[in-house]
Amino acid sequence: EPEVTQTPSHQVTQMGQEVILRCVPISNHLYFYWYRQILGQKVEFLVSFYNNEISEKSEIFDDQFSVERPDGSNFTLKIRSTKLEDSAMYFCASSGLLTSYEQYFGPGTRLTVT
Amino acid sequence: KNEVEQSPQNLTAQEGEFITINCSYSVGISALHWLQQHPGGGIVSLFMLSSGKKKHGRLIATINIQEKHSSLHITASHPRDSAVYICAVRGNQFYFGTGTSLTVIP
Repeated sequence: EPEVTQTPSHQVTQMGQEVILRCVPISNHLYFYWYRQILGQKVEFLVSFYNNEISEKSEIFDDQFSVERPDGSNFTLKIRSTKLEDSAMYFCASSGLLTSYEQYFGPGTRLTVT
Repeated sequence: KNEVEQSPQNLTAQEGEFITINCSYSVGISALHWLQQHPGGGIVSLFMLSSGKKKHGRLIATINIQEKHSSLHITASHPRDSAVYICAVRGNQFYFGTGTSLTVIP
């Protein structure tokens, strides 16, 4: 069964460093999403991406964040200058032809900022 | 301000019991999702609803658009159902509930 994959599973970085989280969505999906979950808190929406551009973003997704689909398979989330409060689990998801289609989640990347 | 409220926050049930988890939302939506988050953190989508009712195995999800309310039912609960169940809605963006932590005791 096709699945969404994410790398790395755990990333440790120092405050102020740039990080890139990588996701490989399901191959025929067209909508891509990033979410985060701070430990012990609820999942939060960051951004959705369709047709090579951002379709929606939350207030969390400020200028420190960017997303890219650099090739036909990868979908990346970049955090330019990490802060301690960026420590969280980051989930990528993808869905099919319509935004209302079921989303398939990746296993997550745990980001720890020290 | 919580756009999505779930109840109960925590639920303990004996194996075999019928379980109901409720979700109320305050925004206009195009779809509602029920998700399951395992103890290891992984998230699985259970249902996507825009109206009516869906059933998958022992899981049933219903939505009442007029009342802005959805329920997730688990029939004949089993210890492997132990997880956090999350309600999420698709409005102008995605809003998530805080989750219901379910523990099913053998």
